[in-house]
Amino acid sequence: GQQVMQIPQYQHVQEGEDFTTYCNSSTTLSNIQWYKQRPGGHPVFLIQLVKSGEVKKQKRLTFQFGEAKKNSSLHITATQTTDVGTYFCAGRPNFGNEKLTFGTGTRLTIIP
Amino acid sequence: DAGVIQSPRHEVTEMGQEVTLRCKPISGHNSLFWYRQTMMRGLELLIYFNNNVPIDDSGMPEDRFSAKMPNASFSTLKIQPSEPRDSAVYFCASSLEGFTTNEKLFFGSGTQLSVL
Repeated sequence: GQQVMQIPQYQHVQEGEDFTTYCNSSTTLSNIQWYKQRPGGHPVFLIQLVKSGEVKKQKRLTFQFGEAKKNSSLHITATQTTDVGTYFCAGRPNFGNEKLTFGTGTRLTIIP
Repeated sequence: DAGVIQSPRHEVTEMGQEVTLRCKPISGHNSLFWYRQTMMRGLELLIYFNNNVPIDDSGMPEDRFSAKMPNASFSTLKIQPSEPRDSAVYFCASSLEGFTTNEKLFFGSGTQLSVL
């Protein structure tokens, strides 16, 4: 079945440093979604990318979808303590009515 | 809108007992999903419904797990009998559409289940 892996699993950064998490799928995706889960909270939708090579920005967050639509990345510039949480990508294979599969997640902690 | 509502927030029970988790999706959403989250296995899709009909239950781990959606505003996930390895956070999520490629999920606050 489809597998969606994220690296790194954990990331500790000093406040103000940049952060990047990478998402890799075993199959070509029709789209990729990103979610953020705060500690003790629930996943919250951030953004969706659909087109090959697409780049979207939300303030300090930059999301990219790979040209082959098999990978994606999330980059946070100048992290703040409010960025703490686990970031999940989620993708759906580019065939049939396959279900959304969540990645393994990257847990970000910020050192003040 | 109140969002997806789950109850209870926390459940502590003893092995062998029946556990029922409840979910009210966002009004107007056609699809409902039950997920289980653990440190070891991450977010796993257990089952999802479209227009109250179960579409894919391949993620339901065992016959001890069952889910129902009697109407558009209510779903239950039941574990009977419960076992310690069922301890996890169970999330319910809903989405507007069931089979489009652009659906996004709205998650409830989850139920933290501990089976002793």
